[in-house]
Amino acid sequence: EVQLVESGGGLVKPGGSLRLSCAASGFTFSSYSMNWVRQAPGKGLEWVSSISLSSSYIYYADSMKGRFTISRDNAKSSLYLQMNSLRAEDTAVYYCARDPGDLVYFDYWGQGTLVTVSS
Amino acid sequence: DIQMTQSPSALSASVGDRVTITCRASQSISSWLAWYQQKPGKAPKLLIYKASSLESGVPSRFSGGGSGTEFTLTINSLQPDDFATYYCQQYDTYSRTFGQGTKVEIK
Repeated sequence: EVQLVESGGGLVKPGGSLRLSCAASGFTFSSYSMNWVRQAPGKGLEWVSSISLSSSYIYYADSMKGRFTISRDNAKSSLYLQMNSLRAEDTAVYYCARDPGDLVYFDYWGQGTLVTVSS
Repeated sequence: DIQMTQSPSALSASVGDRVTITCRASQSISSWLAWYQQKPGKAPKLLIYKASSLESGVPSRFSGGGSGTEFTLTINSLQPDDFATYYCQQYDTYSRTFGQGTKVEIK
């Protein structure tokens, strides 16, 4: 069974940093591109970042460029998101999501981890 | 970025009704469209990909159609488990974008 389990969310002050993790199991992690997608409270879904199988290509949404860094460790079947210079508008549930192809849709999602940016 | 616009934003329907949600793209995306269902407090669930392909395990009462800039998600014979919010998502470009969502409520 495919499982994606996010962790690392919490309360952080504006300007602060946080590192999210996503532990994958039930599939060959190194064979799939992976993504982060977020959802602000009561709002819709927003794609954040993508990373290819071997990290050879990485993409970010414009509002995250220069502040967020996606990475992966295939040996540990884990995905990460380093978030710096956090703003109130980054408050959201962050989901880890698997990409069944190459920059396509998201076929499996984790349960999400809540990041709250507030003073 | 490609803008995705869903209509309506919300609708009320009864069990057994046929429901259709529309999603429009700001430019042609061929058939590179997916649909998701999300229930409160839960992660989205993939229903449809490539505009009309049903994801494994999804009931056949769900169907998708369209191409280019206009797409539909149809739920035939709405069931109690179907009351949720539905999102479309384009993947014509790496910068994937979602519609704003359509909430399907019980009448």
